[in-house]
Amino acid sequence: AQTVTQSQPEMSVQEAETVTLSCTYDTSESDYYLFWYKQPPSRQMILVIRQEAYKQQNATENRFSVNFQKAAKSFSLKISDSQLGDAAMYFCAYRSAWGNTPLVFGKGTRLSVIA
Amino acid sequence: EAQVTQNPRYLITVTGKKLTVTCSQNMNHEYMSWYRQDPGLGLRQIYYSMNVEVTDKGDVPEGYKVSRKEKRNFPLILESPSPNQTSLYFCASKSGRDRGPGELFFGEGSRLTVL
Repeated sequence: AQTVTQSQPEMSVQEAETVTLSCTYDTSESDYYLFWYKQPPSRQMILVIRQEAYKQQNATENRFSVNFQKAAKSFSLKISDSQLGDAAMYFCAYRSAWGNTPLVFGKGTRLSVIA
Repeated sequence: EAQVTQNPRYLITVTGKKLTVTCSQNMNHEYMSWYRQDPGLGLRQIYYSMNVEVTDKGDVPEGYKVSRKEKRNFPLILESPSPNQTSLYFCASKSGRDRGPGELFFGEGSRLTVL
């Protein structure tokens, strides 16, 4: 079974600075998708960014980018120019590309942004 | 507006009193799923449904039931709730025709407390 590991339960960053959240995963599959979800205090799950494993180019969405290292099974999230609104729980998630398989989540990293 | 609606958003109940958490989506999605979120454990899948009358167990199905009689609705049933089912529950849906990294749309969550 696939597993997703987020080794940093909590992180903090100064406003306007850059922070990187770590995520590693374990799978024997070659085709899959990876996601980062944000959960602010409102509890809503918000998709931040997604990556297809067959694409070598790292995904980018405005201030959010990933460093996808397929051989190392690593999928870190970089947040640039951090803002107070970025404070949230962040979840890394994995899904197989075969069929409608479930999202497998990591345990989350709580990010605090310091003004 | 495309959305997944869960009810109730908050519920306090007692051990053994049957309850149902409703979930409805207006996007004509084939795939629907229930997750529970617990501190330090991330989100874990309870049940999922690929289409009407097709349901299957996720990682933590014990103590729960589901049904999928209509495409838009996917209720979660706790026949005899116990305190270890105190959790934050999320319903989610996705287009079944999407074979790519399609977004999983989440409801706003239901906070359940079993005394």
